[in-house]
Amino acid sequence: GQNIDQPTEMTATEGAIVQINCTYQTSGFNGLFWYQQHAGEAPTFLSYNVLDGLEEKGRFSSFLSRSKGYSYLLLKELQMKDSASYLCAVMDSNYQLIWGAGTKLIIKP
Amino acid sequence: EPEVTQTPSHQVTQMGQEVILRCVPISNHLYFYWYRQILGQKVEFLVSFYNNEISEKSEIFDDQFSVERPDGSNFTLKIRSTKLEDSAMYFCASSVAGGSGANVLTFGAGSRLTVL
Repeated sequence: GQNIDQPTEMTATEGAIVQINCTYQTSGFNGLFWYQQHAGEAPTFLSYNVLDGLEEKGRFSSFLSRSKGYSYLLLKELQMKDSASYLCAVMDSNYQLIWGAGTKLIIKP
Repeated sequence: EPEVTQTPSHQVTQMGQEVILRCVPISNHLYFYWYRQILGQKVEFLVSFYNNEISEKSEIFDDQFSVERPDGSNFTLKIRSTKLEDSAMYFCASSVAGGSGANVLTFGAGSRLTVL
């Protein structure tokens, strides 16, 4: 079966750095997405990785290792507004998005 | 910035009633999707739609569900006879491309359905 694993919840301090991991087992791979979802709102796109390596976009970076079935999202200089759920999603061989359950990130002052 | 709009934002209905959720995708997008998210659970794929027909659907998308693009702008999800377990947030999404790995979904704000 297809499976996306990420931690349920993480806590970090304002101004710090946090890394949210995601491991996946899917039937084929056509890219990995990270979305941010504030409570009661729609997911919003953060990043897309299809090749191994690090993609940097401002305070957010995303890393992919296809051989390990592993990705992480790195958030730097955390702000209170970064408190949200972070969803890892993999596009499989049928171009369907398989979603993880999300990691709830709690930022403390 | 272009956005996907959904109506209603919240609908309360009695079990067994029909519900229609409406979506206006981004105008130059060609692929449309419905997802649902039960409170506290993961986002679940329901259906994708391209060129006026369903391209993929999940096991959740059974005979009580249907989608339609009645005109050039709207994309609707109909639930024929709602059940208690249909209570969820329903997200519409659209994308420029569907078969490309660079496809990025833009989500609407969601329609919260409460079935009593």
